[in-house]
Amino acid sequence: QKEVEQDPGPLSVPEGAIVSLNCTYSNSAFQYFMWYRQYSRKGPELLMYTYSSGNKEDGRFTAQVDKSSKYISLFIRDSQPSDSATYLCAMRSNSGANNLFFGTGTRLTVIP
Amino acid sequence: GAGVSQSPSNKVTEKGKDVELRCDPISGHTALYWYRQSLGQGLEFLIYFQGNSAPDKSGLPSDRFSAERTGGSVSTLTIQRTQQEDSAVYLCASSLDRYSYEQYFGPGTRLTVT
Repeated sequence: QKEVEQDPGPLSVPEGAIVSLNCTYSNSAFQYFMWYRQYSRKGPELLMYTYSSGNKEDGRFTAQVDKSSKYISLFIRDSQPSDSATYLCAMRSNSGANNLFFGTGTRLTVIP
Repeated sequence: GAGVSQSPSNKVTEKGKDVELRCDPISGHTALYWYRQSLGQGLEFLIYFQGNSAPDKSGLPSDRFSAERTGGSVSTLTIQRTQQEDSAVYLCASSLDRYSYEQYFGPGTRLTVT
């Protein structure tokens, strides 16, 4: 079993829709939770970051972490064609190399 | 400022040949990571460098893989006797230090082994 599970999609939505992306994980030591966005042929770029449980909002994006359920979500409101990309969840613990453990990524297409 | 750069952007090699992939981290970043991104597999951690400390090689898949970081800056990932299963995108990331949560990724090197 992978430490981080993410539905690979693909996910296709009309412009303006609310998008929900999710990941589950098994390692209770994970404390830092991130969402990266990756455009085709580019490296991932950090979109949202949350420490421990809770919600964080940044413009049209909201990240939620539920450590009791080992479940994290990213919501995108009023989705735009420019949001079309692969979204990767990532997480790490507070010890060791601090390397990130990634989900497989969900490919999102927002149709104009 | 300049981000993380990687070269080459694409590399096609024959099975059994050795390849070297280069990463230039952001200036001043002491932590450097290599990841491998295979189709449908997500990003897989390979190796981590922090300053002048011994690297964490726990993610390297076999002894054909090695990496070094000279002068705490540029890093080279070497794959010896390449196999077809080594075909992937190799991504380098750097962060300010080991405590910094944000890792900045380069564009990657797409390796194809024929």
